[in-house]
Amino acid sequence: GAVVSQHPSRVICKSGTSVKIECRSLDFQATTMFWYRQFPKQSLMLMATSNEGSKATYEQGVEKDKFLINHASLTLSTLTVTSAHPEDSSFYICSARGGREDYNSPLHFGNGTRLTVT
Amino acid sequence: QKEVEQNSGPLSVPEGAIASLNCTYSDRGSQSFFWYRQYSGKSPELIMFIYSNGDKEDGRFTAQLNKASQYVSLLIRDSQPSDSATYLCAVTTYSSASKIIFGSGTRLSIRP
Repeated sequence: GAVVSQHPSRVICKSGTSVKIECRSLDFQATTMFWYRQFPKQSLMLMATSNEGSKATYEQGVEKDKFLINHASLTLSTLTVTSAHPEDSSFYICSARGGREDYNSPLHFGNGTRLTVT
Repeated sequence: QKEVEQNSGPLSVPEGAIASLNCTYSDRGSQSFFWYRQYSGKSPELIMFIYSNGDKEDGRFTAQLNKASQYVSLLIRDSQPSDSATYLCAVTTYSSASKIIFGSGTRLSIRP
């Protein structure tokens, strides 16, 4: 159980274009999902908390107009990187707690999306 | 001070030996603690979680928690080359209970 699916796994786009990344909980419902970004040889940095049916909560320093998050259903959250630039190239990973909105329960991660902006 | 601190390594351990990974955290009210393993280019996978002081064992892995010292560790017995990865310590902080904060990770290398 607690499978999180993320798509696409890899994307290359040109500078100035937008890229949408999907994150789905396959066998459970997730009212909250978390989006992380990881640069090479660095740790996971929380970008935002995606809340079903309401606005996402962004971490300090993350531009909400650049990283658009939509959590329209209990099983799907999307992250859109708008007007992508080379510095946005990174590994983006979504996660969710396995069907329990218990703050103490662990996160389960999608397989990540490797974004390269040329 | 970082919220979750780990030695970046690399930590080199001979095959068959015990690997010991350490993590300290700053929020004294933290309640839940996790260890994730991340292979290069892959997303993290959960190894263990621990909530109470003391030891928790699962196969070759043992998590140890000392809330008074704000310290959590992971022991890997009978280390195998396949254990070579980056190990991430993560903590649910009291101040922002819905978020899990990650340390920078310790790179572990098991030498044959």
